Amino acid sequence: AQSVTQLGSHVSVSEGALVLLRCNYSSSVPPYLFWYVQYPNQGLQLLLKYTTGATLVKGINGFEAEFKKSETSFHLTKPSAHMSDAAEYFCAVSEKWDYKLSFGAGTTVTVRA
Amino acid sequence: KAGVTQTPRYLIKTRGQQVTLSCSPISGHRSVSWYQQTPGQGLQFLFEYFSETQRNKGNFPGRFSGRQFSNSRSEMNVSTLELGDSALYLCASSPSPGRSSYEQYFGPGTRLTVT
Repeated sequence: AQSVTQLGSHVSVSEGALVLLRCNYSSSVPPYLFWYVQYPNQGLQLLLKYTTGATLVKGINGFEAEFKKSETSFHLTKPSAHMSDAAEYFCAVSEKWDYKLSFGAGTTVTVRA
Repeated sequence: KAGVTQTPRYLIKTRGQQVTLSCSPISGHRSVSWYQQTPGQGLQFLFEYFSETQRNKGNFPGRFSGRQFSNSRSEMNVSTLELGDSALYLCASSPSPGRSSYEQYFGPGTRLTVT
């Protein structure tokens, strides 16, 4: 079974600073990898995904993530945080050809002015 | 295109009752999945339907069931509600296999409170 670990349940950054959210997965074969964001009282919005090909993936709102097979990681970064980035972020994985997503516990990001 | 819609958005029920939640996927999407989100357990997969067939099921008791209609709309039902069923229930839809890389698009959720 897939499992996902997100290091740090809360991250606080200053506006304009780097945002780094960590995600590690356990899988015997490279899965599909996703990052989602959730704003209060809303559903999940897809930020980016990795399936095959280029290991550096660019998503919406200036976010990007790098798939590192050797480290079984898929960390999410944004060079410069904006106040609107305050939200909860979830890393998720699925096995290839499968729609079942396994989610990490989530990381709440706060942005300080 | 309109996004995934879920109705109702909020629901209050009493222990022992049953509830039905509805989900309309993005037009053209044929796969619909359901997830439960709680503070304690996080996001957990309930089940996935494609072309009116349940293809995958999570580790939930039989009180949780679902179905999908020919127009891809889906419903989930929870019978004999328990306090622990209080949660945000999220529906997600995906395009047909081969066209999507299996990404899922989520609705706003239905907030169920069991008293």
